[in-house]
Amino acid sequence: KAGVTQTPRYLIKTRGQQVTLSCSPISGHRSVSWYQQTPGQGLQFLFEYFSETQRNKGNFPGRFSGRQFSNSRSEMNVSTLELGDSALYLCASSIGTPGAGGYTFGSGTRLTVV
Amino acid sequence: QKEVEQNSGPLSVPEGAIASLNCTYSDRGSQSFFWYRQYSGKSPELIMFIYSNGDKEDGRFTAQLNKASQYVSLLIRDSQPSDSATYLCAVSFTGGGNKLTFGTGTQLKVEL
Repeated sequence: KAGVTQTPRYLIKTRGQQVTLSCSPISGHRSVSWYQQTPGQGLQFLFEYFSETQRNKGNFPGRFSGRQFSNSRSEMNVSTLELGDSALYLCASSIGTPGAGGYTFGSGTRLTVV
Repeated sequence: QKEVEQNSGPLSVPEGAIASLNCTYSDRGSQSFFWYRQYSGKSPELIMFIYSNGDKEDGRFTAQLNKASQYVSLLIRDSQPSDSATYLCAVSFTGGGNKLTFGTGTQLKVEL
């Protein structure tokens, strides 16, 4: 079956701009979680969407937002980009039952803010 | 703050040896535990998950869980150079829903 698809793979943006990242989960998976990965902080949870509703949220500022569509595809948006937002953004697909089976990650979007 | 702790390494083992990777977590009520492998420049991939105390084996990999000690480990038998990667421990904490909390990972180097 098809894996988790994230687009784009790479992005370069300027401070102050906004960016939208996209994730298509595995067919049949209703949960999409987003993580930020940086060398210093590791994998940090941003939020989870399940059946078009945000079900869980991490400790990130309001500049980070997301949504999920009826076909389970998800987007995350970062507004007013800062240099510190440079990171690998990973989308994780799962069936949505807490703790069941873990995540399958997409290849990630590497965002560079200059 | 619910935490997952791992030694960052690097852990160096010779080819053919057993690599032992360890992880501790802060919430005694945690139910689900996962090990991911991440090669440099790639995304994490799930190796194993374990829910019950004791050992779970899958090929060369064995996950060990001790809930009383809040400790989970991953053993890799007959280590190969292709096992060289960062290994991430992840925990589903009580009340956290589907959220996984990750440790910062242990870098493993398998030397010829």
